[in-house]
Amino acid sequence: KQEVTQIPAALSVPEGENLVLNCSFTDSAIYNLQWFRQDPGKGLTSLLLIQSSQREQTSGRLNASLDKSSGRSTLYIAASQPGDSATYLCAVSPNNNDMRFGAGTRLTVKP
Amino acid sequence: DAGVTQSPTHLIKTRGQQVTLRCSPKSGHDTVSWYQQALGQGPQFIFQYYEEEERQRGNFPDRFSGHQFPNYSSELNVNALLLGDSALYLCASSSGFWQPQHFGDGTRLSIL
Repeated sequence: KQEVTQIPAALSVPEGENLVLNCSFTDSAIYNLQWFRQDPGKGLTSLLLIQSSQREQTSGRLNASLDKSSGRSTLYIAASQPGDSATYLCAVSPNNNDMRFGAGTRLTVKP
Repeated sequence: DAGVTQSPTHLIKTRGQQVTLRCSPKSGHDTVSWYQQALGQGPQFIFQYYEEEERQRGNFPDRFSGHQFPNYSSELNVNALLLGDSALYLCASSSGFWQPQHFGDGTRLSIL
């Protein structure tokens, strides 16, 4: 059974800092891995999607990496801003039908 | 271009009642998935509908059922509500089996 773990559960940083969020999964037989952002009481916004054959994806200040063999992914956020404050969720999918999510990392960026 | 829309936004029910939640997929999408997200947890997959059929189901009891209509919209029905069913229910749609899923803002269900 696929288990997804995100560390840390919460993170508070000053504005401008670079930071890394971690995601680990137990079964390397995945189709893709996706990072989402969730604001309080809202749905999920997809940030980056990495196919199983890819090693990383970049969008603006965000960079996500994938190491299937070790069951790890990282989300790197450069020059953090208060508007980046949200919960970040990692999800892996064996077939895009059934996404397994971690519990998320709650990020606070202080001005 | 409207994204995924869900209704209602909030709902309060009592134990034992039944509830129906609704989802309209993003334009051009034909596949709808439902997720349950308890407070402080990640979403859990309930089931996915394609061509009006349930294609895959997560580890949820039969009290959770769904339907997809010819216009691709979908309903999630929950019978005999329990306190533990209190959660944010998220709908996601996609344009195909291998395409990324887009999420709505969810329905917040509270059971008293």
